[in-house]
Amino acid sequence: AQSVTQLDSHVSVSEGTPVLLRCNYSSSYSPSLFWYVQHPNKGLQLLLKYTSAATLVKGINGFEAEFKKSETSFHLTKPSAHMSDAAEYFCVVSEISTRDMRFGAGTRLTVKP
Amino acid sequence: EAEVAQSPRYKITEKSQAVAFWCDPISGHATLYWYRQILGQGPELLVQFQDESVVDDSQLPKDRFSAERLKGVDSTLKIQPAELGDSAMYLCASSLGDRVYEQYFGPGTRLTVT
Repeated sequence: AQSVTQLDSHVSVSEGTPVLLRCNYSSSYSPSLFWYVQHPNKGLQLLLKYTSAATLVKGINGFEAEFKKSETSFHLTKPSAHMSDAAEYFCVVSEISTRDMRFGAGTRLTVKP
Repeated sequence: EAEVAQSPRYKITEKSQAVAFWCDPISGHATLYWYRQILGQGPELLVQFQDESVVDDSQLPKDRFSAERLKGVDSTLKIQPAELGDSAMYLCASSLGDRVYEQYFGPGTRLTVT
C-alpha cells in the first residue's frame, strides 16, 4: 500500500526567503503525487501534481516540486515566500491501480515578516 | 468557478445524538468522496461513490456511520450515535473520473462532540 511521510510538521521562514517542504513516499507501483494547501477555514486546494510526465512540476503561486524516484521524494519548493503562503501543506500519493489517495500528516508553514 | 458545497460549516452536538452533513459536488462530477480530518492529521478517506454506488467504504465505521448518494448527485453523511472521538473536520470532494484525477474539495464541516 502507498504512503507518504512529511518530514517536518512545522517550517518557519522569513518573507522573501526560500521555502522547502519535504515529502518522501512509498509506493509499489508508479505513483501519482500531489501537493495540496489548506488555508484556515478553507477547503484543500491543489497546488501541483505529478503523473509520470516531466519530473519537475510547476504549480500555482510560484510553487514547484521535483519527483526523484531514486530518493522516493517529492519535495515542494518556492524561491521566495510571501505572507499569504502561510498555511498547512499536504503531500499526497496515489497509485494507478487504486482509487484512493493517501495524505501525509501535513506541514504547517509559518512566514515571518 | 464551480465549487463543492458543504453544510453546515460548523456543528456542535452532544454525544449519543445523531448528526448529518450534506455535500453538493461540482456539476458533472461522477465521483464523490467523504474524508475525515482529525486535528493535526491529514484527511483519511471514509467513503467513495461512483455515481450512486459505493466503490470504497472500507474505512467507514459502519456501526455508526452511514452515507448515501441516492440520485448520484448530492450526498449525506450521517453519524448515529455521535461519540467524543468523532470530533473532526469532515471534508467532501468530487472529481470527474474514478482514478487519478484532481479532486476538488469543499470547505468542510467542523464537528465538535461534547
